[in-house]
Parts: sequence; C-alpha cells; structure tokens
Amino acid sequence: DTGVSQDPRHKITKRGQNVTFRCDPISEHNRLYWYRQTLGQGPEFLTYFQNEAQLEKSRLLSDRFSAERPKGSFSTLEIQRTEQGDSAMYLCASSFPSGRLHEQYFGPGTRLTVT
Amino acid sequence: DAKTTQPNSMESNEEEPVHLPCNHSTISGTDYIHWYRQLPSQGPEYVIHGLTSNVNNRMASLAIAEDRKSSTLILHRATLRDAAVYYCILRALNSGGSNYKLTFGKGTLLTVNP
Repeated sequence: DTGVSQDPRHKITKRGQNVTFRCDPISEHNRLYWYRQTLGQGPEFLTYFQNEAQLEKSRLLSDRFSAERPKGSFSTLEIQRTEQGDSAMYLCASSFPSGRLHEQYFGPGTRLTVT
Repeated sequence: DAKTTQPNSMESNEEEPVHLPCNHSTISGTDYIHWYRQLPSQGPEYVIHGLTSNVNNRMASLAIAEDRKSSTLILHRATLRDAAVYYCILRALNSGGSNYKLTFGKGTLLTVNP
C-alpha cells in the first residue's frame, strides 16, 4: 500500500492556460474524491467517483473544471482557462466501502498557482 | 449538514495531554463524529470517529457527551509531530450512499511547545 499519490505536487501557470492534475488512489479503493483547499480554510468537496462513474459535482465546480476516472483507476482533474481565483491546493482522496463509514485517505495535494 | 464549532487555535506543551473541544448542538441521531487532522504541507488524515460511546485508538481518544451535542478529542501525550489543524466533522449514516463527502470547517490549529 503506497497511499494516494498526486502529480504534479506543484504547478505554476499563467492565467488563461489549461492545467491537468492526476490522482492515483489506493489500488483496492473504488471511491475517489477531489477537494480544493484555499489558504486558511478547510478542504471543500468538488466531486466524487464510484468506480468510473462521477456521481456528484459540487456547485464549486464551474464549467471550466472537468474530472474523469477512466476504467475506475486513476483520475484526472482539468481546469481550462485558469483564473487567479483557481489558485489553491487540490486534494484527492480515496476510500472503499468497508463497514459503513468510508474513511478517506488523502494524497499530498497539488498546489496550483495562477499568475 | 449539521455544523460544528471549534476554537480557532490551542496551545499545548510537549508530553502533556491535550483536549480539543467540538460543539455540534444540531447533531442528528444518525450523525457520526469524525476527527481528521492536517499536518503542515500534507493532506488530511483520519484520526478517530464515534457515535455515542467513547472511543480509543492508537492515535487518540474521543469523548462524546451524553447528549451528543459536544465531543472532545484527547491526545494523551502531545508530541511536536502532533502540531496540526484538527477538524471535527459530522457524517450522516444512511443507506443512500450520500454520506460520502466530508464537510470541513476551519478546524483548530494546535501548536505544541517543546
């Protein structure tokens, strides 16, 4: 068990550019989550996959954001036409439905800076 | 989601016990109380959870008030590595599967002095 990994760890981009982040969950986990965290705040839920199906998207996820999880394994989060307000830490987490409570395991995050 | 209230910050000395409070006066009967913590420059990590009874694990203890309107996370001997933001989160148990997401507040920043 190598834990949840995210790539890249840091990304600096210019406003208007597109960026894509990758998350590799723990291998036996079928649930995958994306959260966003800005400075001084707790993480905010963005979206959730069960296997390859995206089951919910937060209202925080504008049309410029898209997430995929092909084949129910790794996931990507793409932001098109980045804005300065997109600067944040993007966290991925995974879990499997053991028992009832779905403890989530988080990756180290991708820190995005939009200049 | 039911709301939780935590102090913004707390301070402790190394090797002393720490009691981190959380108020959740609107908790419902199906809400579990979860605690996560986030060390500097890392993603959050699960600490402990409970429903009605007090709980212990290798990381911490969770004391839940009899009326469930408050709880306390107890670190028995704080170390410098326990310095983190601690989040108290309520998660509903239901069969519909909608208890998947975590709703974080701002948490409590714990500082541990050597």
